[in-house]
Amino acid sequence: GQNIDQPTEMTATEGAIVQINCTYQTSGFNGLFWYQQHAGEAPTFLSYNVLDGLEEKGRFSSFLSRSKGYSYLLLKELQMKDSASYLCAVKFSGGYNKLIFGAGTRLAVHP
Amino acid sequence: DTGVSQDPRHKITKRGQNVTFRCDPISEHNRLYWYRQTLGQGPEFLTYFQNEAQLEKSRLLSDRFSAERPKGSFSTLEIQRTEQGDSAMYLCASSPPLAGSSGANVLTFGAGSRLTVL
Repeated sequence: GQNIDQPTEMTATEGAIVQINCTYQTSGFNGLFWYQQHAGEAPTFLSYNVLDGLEEKGRFSSFLSRSKGYSYLLLKELQMKDSASYLCAVKFSGGYNKLIFGAGTRLAVHP
Repeated sequence: DTGVSQDPRHKITKRGQNVTFRCDPISEHNRLYWYRQTLGQGPEFLTYFQNEAQLEKSRLLSDRFSAERPKGSFSTLEIQRTEQGDSAMYLCASSPPLAGSSGANVLTFGAGSRLTVL
């Protein structure tokens, strides 16, 4: 299958750093996306990785290891508004660019 | 352009009725996707259009589901003889023409149409 696994829930403190992990099946891998989704709203694009390494975008960074089938999203200087679900999604080759999503990680940021 | 628009935002219907959802993608996007999302889960792929052609359908899409994109612009998703298990958020997404085989080609999602089947 194309199982994409990520933790169900995480909690963190305002101002701290949190890392959300994602593992996926490596066969046919053709890119990994992270989306943020606030309750009742559309998923919004955060980051894209297709090569190994770290991509940094302000307070958010995403890392990829293709050989290990592993990615993480790093959120720094957490703010209350970062409380949301974070969705890991993988594009597999031959799939017309469709994304296969994990179940999402619900992050709760508390004061 | 105001992004991907979906209508209606909410629909409550009785079991057995038919419902139709509409999606208006970003105007220069030729690729359109329908996903379904239930509470606590990630979006599940339903179907994909490239221009007006429906190129892929998930096995999740039973015979009661049909999608169209007649002129390669807006799309409709119809569910016939709704069942309580159809209750979900139906998300539409669009993306631009593919920028190379490894291009990011980001999907932009609409806010979704929430269906409740009583």
